[in-house]
Amino acid sequence: AQSVTQPDIHITVSEGASLELRCNYSYGATPYLFWYVQSPGQGLQLLLKYFSGDTLVQGIKGFEAEFKRSQSSFNLRKPSVHWSDAAEYFCAVGARSSASKIIFGSGTRLSIRP
Amino acid sequence: GAVVSQHPSRVICKSGTSVKIECRSLDFQATTMFWYRQFPKQSLMLMATSNEGSKATYEQGVEKDKFLINHASLTLSTLTVTSAHPEDSSFYICSPGPTLSTDTQYFGPGTRLTVL
Repeated sequence: AQSVTQPDIHITVSEGASLELRCNYSYGATPYLFWYVQSPGQGLQLLLKYFSGDTLVQGIKGFEAEFKRSQSSFNLRKPSVHWSDAAEYFCAVGARSSASKIIFGSGTRLSIRP
Repeated sequence: GAVVSQHPSRVICKSGTSVKIECRSLDFQATTMFWYRQFPKQSLMLMATSNEGSKATYEQGVEKDKFLINHASLTLSTLTVTSAHPEDSSFYICSPGPTLSTDTQYFGPGTRLTVL
């Protein structure tokens, strides 16, 4: 069955500290992978996506993610977080062959400690 | 600028009434529309997939007679929550579908439904 697991429900980091949000997926084929951010009261915003090629993907706002096929992981990282990064982060997976059906993980809420 | 709009952004209704949510793709034609539901502090769950001019396909556990989806044009899809109950209170999000191979998947800003 297709699934996305985000093991961390809530993470708190200090402003300026590094960040890594974990994501593992289970998929029958090679998937498309995404990270989205949702700020309170806001819609989803795409941070980055992996379709193929270089397994280290750069996104907006200084985020990056690395696709590791052997570990079925697509962890999100940022070297130095800002207070404005506080939000809910969703990892998602989609099929290469179907039209845009996306399965979301349960989300990780990021809080920033001043 | 926004490429997907939803109307209304918030709606409060009484139990038993019906609510219609509109989703418009502004910059492209959407042959496929995905409707998601997000309960408080939870993730987005796909409710149904519709293709323009044909019946929607509903995910397991989603009542097709309760959540009516119309996708009559390439730029407009509507979700009607019929005979709404408090447990239907949620955040409803549409996502028009270009294929994954072509571009970013866009999402609407969402509609917050509160059923009293």
